[in-house]
Amino acid sequence: DMKVTQMPRYLIKRMGENVLLECGQDMSHETMYWYRQDPGLGLQLIYISYDVDSNSEGDIPKGYRVSRKKREHFSLILDSAKTNQTSVYFCASSSGTITEVFFGKGTRLTVV
Amino acid sequence: AQSVDQPDAHVTLSEGASLELRCSYSYSAAPYLFWYVQYPGQSLQFLLKYITGDTVVKGTKGFEAEFRKSNSSFNLKKSPAHWSDSAKYFCALEGWLQQGTGSKLSFGKGAKLTVSP
Repeated sequence: DMKVTQMPRYLIKRMGENVLLECGQDMSHETMYWYRQDPGLGLQLIYISYDVDSNSEGDIPKGYRVSRKKREHFSLILDSAKTNQTSVYFCASSSGTITEVFFGKGTRLTVV
Repeated sequence: AQSVDQPDAHVTLSEGASLELRCSYSYSAAPYLFWYVQYPGQSLQFLLKYITGDTVVKGTKGFEAEFRKSNSSFNLKKSPAHWSDSAKYFCALEGWLQQGTGSKLSFGKGAKLTVSP
């Protein structure tokens, strides 16, 4: 079963705390993504990873970092979370270019 | 630079009518274009893609899209629409990162479709 799994699904953090969002996929996809979705803004690309330890900034990387030590796993880290990082975060994966991208169910992060 | 525009944030129509969701893009090279759908409370699902060849591409759930290079558009269509088509639809373009290390998928802001029974 092709699946992208995100944990946790819901998270509330205080401003200044560190946040770890985890994502796994069972398709051995090389490429993985982190997007955030905000009302009226669509999906914005935060980071993209082309394989283990091969990560590139997307359109809005400021305030975020990522880690990919295994092909199946891609983490998004917020060091000292800010209230404007309240959003729904989607992880996704694909087998390469011009192919279907599979999305996880999202993590709703609230920073208070 | 690459961008995708979906000019209609909200579209409402009656069941049985024809639906068309507009998408325009800006990209300096040949575009790879996609449509995704997001049902309430769910994640995004792939509908269809255009790479090259036939300008009308068919996808899942009875949807099709027409690529028009002349006006840089990739509109999504379905006839007739069903109430279960109510969802948010995203047009996307795959292009190359500025660093040249690979490609990325850029999304429009989405169009919320409401089909009334």
